Amino acid sequence: QLQLQESGPGLVKPSETLSLTCTVSGGSMSSSSYFWGWIRQPPGKGLEWIGSIYYRGSTYYSPSLKSRVSISGDTSKNQFSLKLSSVTAADTAVYYCARQSSSYTSGYFWGQGNLVTVSS
Amino acid sequence: QSVLTQPPSVSGAPGQRVTISCTGRSSNIGAGYDVHWYQQLPGTAPKLLIYGNSNRPSGVPDRFSGSKSGTSASLAISGLQAEDEADYYCQSYDSSLSGSVFGGGTKLTVL
Repeated sequence: QLQLQESGPGLVKPSETLSLTCTVSGGSMSSSSYFWGWIRQPPGKGLEWIGSIYYRGSTYYSPSLKSRVSISGDTSKNQFSLKLSSVTAADTAVYYCARQSSSYTSGYFWGQGNLVTVSS
Repeated sequence: QSVLTQPPSVSGAPGQRVTISCTGRSSNIGAGYDVHWYQQLPGTAPKLLIYGNSNRPSGVPDRFSGSKSGTSASLAISGLQAEDEADYYCQSYDSSLSGSVFGGGTKLTVL
């Protein structure tokens, strides 16, 4: 049974880098059938796609965040990570890791989410 | 502003039927990419409700149905129940952005 679990600090200072890791269990990141992605949701607002990584390491980022985002993967640990630099209060959100089929024909399977607050 | 457009809110009485629209453009829904729908209860992660425009994952009641036509898609909920009160989001892929796009979400109130 697939499970995704986010981990990382719940509080980040302005101008610093937000770092989160998603651990995958019950499935393999080495499969060519899936993208592994990050999605965020500011308090009281809607969902925003941040970016995704494919099993071969190809990455895809939201144009609005591209200059500050980096997603990497470690198939040996079955983990993938998010780094978002130069954060501000506007980056305060619940960050979800999620899996979607590489053909875009299935919806996302989600982790439980990790609230990250940007504050000094 | 979200790439996919949804009404901010809809409401209905128990037992009634409601629909939620999701309007996109030629680079996403209109290009033939599938639309997926999620239900989000307060304080929880989104849950997949409909995938591939009209398919229900195991465990989702058949009161929930989805359709797609042209650059739009719709989620229909029949036989409304109090437990259906939640936020609903549509999602697709956009070729011009090379990534996923979401609707702004629709809050369903069961009167």
